[in-house]
Amino acid sequence: GQQLNQSPQSMFIQEGEDVSMNCTSSSIFNTWLWYKQEPGEGPVLLIALYKAGELTSNGRLTAQFGITRKDSFLNISASIPSDVGIYFCAGQGYGGSQGNLIFGKGTKLSVKP
Amino acid sequence: DTGVSQNPRHKITKRGQNVTFRCDPISEHNRLYWYRQTLGQGPEFLTYFQNEAQLEKSRLLSDRFSAERPKGSFSTLEIQRTEQGDSAMYLCASSLLSVGQFFGPGTRLTVL
Repeated sequence: GQQLNQSPQSMFIQEGEDVSMNCTSSSIFNTWLWYKQEPGEGPVLLIALYKAGELTSNGRLTAQFGITRKDSFLNISASIPSDVGIYFCAGQGYGGSQGNLIFGKGTKLSVKP
Repeated sequence: DTGVSQNPRHKITKRGQNVTFRCDPISEHNRLYWYRQTLGQGPEFLTYFQNEAQLEKSRLLSDRFSAERPKGSFSTLEIQRTEQGDSAMYLCASSLLSVGQFFGPGTRLTVL
């Protein structure tokens, strides 16, 4: 089935550093979403992107929907310890589906105080 | 709390037993989704409902799995004759039409 390539798989950074992660696909999506998941919990929606080229911010988080509709990136500025978790990208609209979100494998973020 | 809720949070069962999970979506959301997540992977889509109609089912949803949303509000996911490979986190999400899916805390299933 369709998969998203998410990189990097993991990151170890110092508190205060900026973080960048991205997601690519061989197929076009109509919507890109970014989620954060902490152990034992469900994913929490961070940012949703609906138009190619769209750049959206949510506090220290910024995400962009690639012009080709096949990629997206997420930046976190001035990281803090509570940013620790697994960040997932997800694409919607593959093959005409209106419901099916396809997820990447996640980027595990560790922040050293 | 007006988020998506799921019960139970944890379920341990023996192979061959049937299990049922419940999901209560955000009240005004008309779409409800089920996903499965195994360790080290992102969630994988199982099925979704718009109101009470089941509109899409993944090939992952074998004959042993059945989902219902009888009145367009809460939903149940039943797994019959559980197998060890069914051990996973089962996640429910809801949305208003196709705009942004909000997830519940999940039900962790362990099949012994």
